[in-house]
Amino acid sequence: DTAVSQTPKYLVTQMGNDKSIKCEQNLGHDTMYWYKQDSKKFLKIMFSYNNKELIINETVPNRFSPKSPDKAHLNLHINSLELGDSAVYFCASSQRGDTQYFGPGTRLTVL
Amino acid sequence: SQQGEEDPQALSIQEGENATMNCSYKTSINNLQWYRQNSGRGLVHLILIRSNEREKHSGRLRVTLDTSKKSSSLLITASRAADTASYFCATDRNRDDKIIFGKGTRLHILP
Repeated sequence: DTAVSQTPKYLVTQMGNDKSIKCEQNLGHDTMYWYKQDSKKFLKIMFSYNNKELIINETVPNRFSPKSPDKAHLNLHINSLELGDSAVYFCASSQRGDTQYFGPGTRLTVL
Repeated sequence: SQQGEEDPQALSIQEGENATMNCSYKTSINNLQWYRQNSGRGLVHLILIRSNEREKHSGRLRVTLDTSKKSSSLLITASRAADTASYFCATDRNRDDKIIFGKGTRLHILP
């Protein structure tokens, strides 16, 4: 009965590959987010979806494409992975403007 | 650009002492939230304080908000070893509902 879950927990891949990270929330929230936390622990928002619609799209490369098939899911697809994409990616959900609940994170390592 | 800035970046105190962390931000907000992140884990929500509130308590946590100074503080009283973690403030900007995290304060409780 995990509130916000992400898969996979760890992802190790070669440069140039395409990969996806999945996120699901069972809290009934209408807003979901993707964050990137770099090696210096700086947490930066990448995308935010509200009721399957994109509402925040920070300056991230076009290689990153979020997809929200329904309110409870927000997946992140990354094309042509680069070394600089190595980070921990967190999914979160909330009722808009309220407390965010975070997933456990996906540690992506690009070799 | 960075919205929240925590101060200090790192803090080491003896177990039992009180720990105070500060957060400053730049633009007007709807609310401010404090989160804790244990090493290698996701973020856990601690307290949300709305822009019309000045102080909030939760157990050993006390949060203040001064909108005139655009600053907040998190006080942890009677610290314990389990409080060792990074603490982040996050502001919900009222012009676009964007949640922006600071860089965090790394708190280390010494036995």
